[in-house]
Parts: sequence; C-alpha cells; structure tokens
Amino acid sequence: DIQMTQSPSTLSASVRDRVSITCRTSQNISRWLAWYQQRPGKAPSLLIYEASTLQSGVPSRFSGSGSGTEFTLTISSLQPDDFATYFCQQYNTYVWTFGQGTKVEIK
Amino acid sequence: EVQLVESGGGLVQPGGSLRLSCEVSGFKFSNYEMHWVRQAPGKGLQLISYISKSGATIYYADSVKGRFTISRDNAHNSLYLQMNSLRAEDTALYFCARPLWFGGAAGHWGQGTLVTVSS
Repeated sequence: DIQMTQSPSTLSASVRDRVSITCRTSQNISRWLAWYQQRPGKAPSLLIYEASTLQSGVPSRFSGSGSGTEFTLTISSLQPDDFATYFCQQYNTYVWTFGQGTKVEIK
Repeated sequence: EVQLVESGGGLVQPGGSLRLSCEVSGFKFSNYEMHWVRQAPGKGLQLISYISKSGATIYYADSVKGRFTISRDNAHNSLYLQMNSLRAEDTALYFCARPLWFGGAAGHWGQGTLVTVSS
C-alpha cells in the first residue's frame, strides 16, 4: 500500500493567515491526490482532487499543488469556518490511503 | 441529488456481529465502485473494504480480512458490510463512499454509522 505522510499534525493560526499543509507519498502517484475537510462527527468533504482541481462550491481561497510524491494544500486567507481537520488521500489505485490529518486551530 | 445513507451500527459485545447497510439514491448505483471507510474515535481515516461495480473485484484491509464481508445489491441500490468476530479496535464511525467517477476521489459520503464494540 502507498504510505502517506502529512504535516504538520496541528497548526495554530489566526483569521486571515495564509497556511499550508504538506502531504508526501511513498511512491509516485502522478496527480491522483485529493484534500478533504472534516468537522467532528461528520463525513469528510472533498475540497480538491487531481492535486489542484477545486471541487464545485469550494471557495477559491483553497488551492492545491504538487505532483509525484509531494503535495501542498494552501488556504490563502483563513476564515472562521476553516478551523477544522484536513486530510490528504491518494487514489492512484482503489486501495485508498489517507494522511494522518492536520487540525487547524485558532491561535 | 446523490445521497448515501448508512445504517446498522450499534453497541455489540466482543465476538459479536453486525451488518451495515448503505442505501444510495440520485445516481445509477451499478455504474460505480464503492468503498467502506472507518474512523476510530479521535483517529484518522482508514479504507477497510472496496467493491467494484459488478462485485467481481473486492479488497479488504489486513485488519478486517477474514472477519468482514463486503457485498452489493445493484437491483436494490444497496451496499453492505457484514462484520463478524468484532473486536474493541473495530469501534469506529463507518462511512460508505462513492468516487466522483471511476477511479476518482471520494466525492460523496454517507453521514456514517457508529459501531461500538464493548462488553
């Protein structure tokens, strides 16, 4: 299985800060990477797929970049609604694997 | 509108069994592969099982292999997960998930059903 390494595990930031989360994969997955936002007790919500394509309805302050084995999720100006946990996921095969998650907290 | 609704979770003793269901609507179920993903309390997401459109290809995570069985009924728009020999470490919120398209990211999720294994 493809291993995922996501960092940091926790990120403390303020409203309007620019924040970035990194995800590394154990093998080349081209651009088959997605990012999700999750709130406690709820299902994940797809933000970005194919490394950089914004899912319909997702605000443009979210962006993704990368290919191969290194990927980044950036929130250009953190809003109160963005304090949540974020996961990366590879779907290079149907054996999906997920990063460990990054909790974005209010500083 | 695409909808996935899980059911069947609950409190069960170690060694017991449960059958989870995922009823879908708003799309042609037989055209999509499906996944079961779980999340233990305070932990990350783990794929535990996958089934192809026809059911011909099935995957299980090592942690559930031999104990869980995935199946689908395309005529009734339903996905199932039969869970036997349950352990405390199977305690989690269980989600069914559908890719955006074949081989795609998980664009659609159910709300989850909670399984608690405890004596």
